[in-house]
Amino acid sequence: DGGITQSPKYLFRKEGQNVTLSCEQNLNHDAMYWYRQDPGQGLRLIYYSQIVNDFQKGDIAEGYSVSREKKESFPLTVTSAQKNPTAFYLCASTRRTNEKLFFGSGTQLSVL
Amino acid sequence: SQQGEEDPQALSIQEGENATMNCSYKTSINNLQWYRQNSGRGLVHLILIRSNEREKHSGRLRVTLDTSKKSSSLLITASRAADTASYFCATDKRGGSEKLVFGKGTKLTVNP
Repeated sequence: DGGITQSPKYLFRKEGQNVTLSCEQNLNHDAMYWYRQDPGQGLRLIYYSQIVNDFQKGDIAEGYSVSREKKESFPLTVTSAQKNPTAFYLCASTRRTNEKLFFGSGTQLSVL
Repeated sequence: SQQGEEDPQALSIQEGENATMNCSYKTSINNLQWYRQNSGRGLVHLILIRSNEREKHSGRLRVTLDTSKKSSSLLITASRAADTASYFCATDKRGGSEKLVFGKGTKLTVNP
C-alpha cells in the first residue's frame, strides 16, 4: 500500500533532550512538510522541502531541525531549544506544491 | 497569521441533518482545499476547488467558492454519526510561497 508513515505514535522527551520524529513516504512525492498542531488549533508549518537536499523554514522553525537526504524520508528533530514541544506533529507529502496533501497519522510528543 | 478562518468553531447536529461550515480568507488564492481530521489522527483530503471554479461536488459533500467575498462553504448532506470530526480549510496565496495555510477548523458532532 502506498502511503506516508510516521513513527513513533507517542514520544516522551526529557528536559534538555533532542528527539527525532520519523516520516517516510512511498508515494514518490517530491514535496514534504512538517506541521505542529496544538489542542483545538489549526496546523502551523514548521519546515518544508520541495526536493532532496533542500528545505525551507516555515512559520515556527525555531527549536526544530530537519534533513532531506532521501526523497522518501524527512525526519524532524525537536531540539532542547524548543521550550514548549508538547504537541501533535503531522507530516505530509504532495506530488505537486500546494495541491492535495497526504498526511501521516501523527506523533504525539509530550515532555516528562 | 491565519489565511483561512472557519466558522463556526463548533457545530452539533442530529443524524440526517445537513451541516454547513464556512471558511473566510484574506488574500487572493490559487486554490482552496477542505480536509477532515478524526480525533488523534492525520488529516484526510476531501476536496480541492480552484479559484476559477464556483462549486464542486463529491458524494455527500458540496463545496462552493466565492472569490469576490473571499469565502468558501462546505456542505455535508444527510449527515451520519461517522461524519463527526474536525474540518479544516487550507489556502495558498496567489503569487505567494510554496505552502498551504490552515484555519483552526470547525468541530462537527453528529448525534445519533
